[in-house]
Amino acid sequence: DAKTTQPPSMDCAEGRAANLPCNHSTISGNEYVYWYRQIHSQGPQYIIHGLKNNETNEMASLIITEDRKSSTLILPHATLRDTAVYYCIVRVYSGNQFYFGTGTSLTVIP
Amino acid sequence: DSGVTQTPKHLITATGQRVTLRCSPRSGDLSVYWYQQSLDQGLQFLIQYYNGEERAKGNILERFSAQQFPDLHSELNLSSLELGDSALYFCASSSRQNTEAFFGQGTRLTVV
Repeated sequence: DAKTTQPPSMDCAEGRAANLPCNHSTISGNEYVYWYRQIHSQGPQYIIHGLKNNETNEMASLIITEDRKSSTLILPHATLRDTAVYYCIVRVYSGNQFYFGTGTSLTVIP
Repeated sequence: DSGVTQTPKHLITATGQRVTLRCSPRSGDLSVYWYQQSLDQGLQFLIQYYNGEERAKGNILERFSAQQFPDLHSELNLSSLELGDSALYFCASSSRQNTEAFFGQGTRLTVV
């Protein structure tokens, strides 16, 4: 069952930061927050994950609130190629499946 | 390139037939996941294997089965195919159960 809530769609201007929110108010202490994206019908692409500290890699930054009930994925300079469906997933670190909800459809506008 | 290889990329077959989808995980990855994505539907978890053993089962039909071989590649067998089985089938792998998974590019199955 879904443990996250994401807006169904968002737009972002090319070159601007895209901030994608995710609510996970029932997250447990041993659950991590993962972000994936799926461009058209390609295989989902891993972006980033974190437990409670903010994380950054070459693709994005993940900001997790102190109470861990929500998080934000930040794409610092969105490009047209970032147009995709973005999925926020909470998962026990040694858990099994990754549950993909409906995600947020991000459209980057020229 | 995620390092996960799925074959074939496309498959067209008739109702009632049986097909096998193959997945080669990233080198060294012990865990393999299978997902189904029907048209305009979300990704549905089917089954997970870890080092040759079934680890978790999701919404997998009895007509479907999977296995993971000693060399860690995995196969998803779909039998008595119906039109509704037309979908993208994705395989993913992770190094252990507790790490991020990387997905292949999928097999697009069309049942006619």
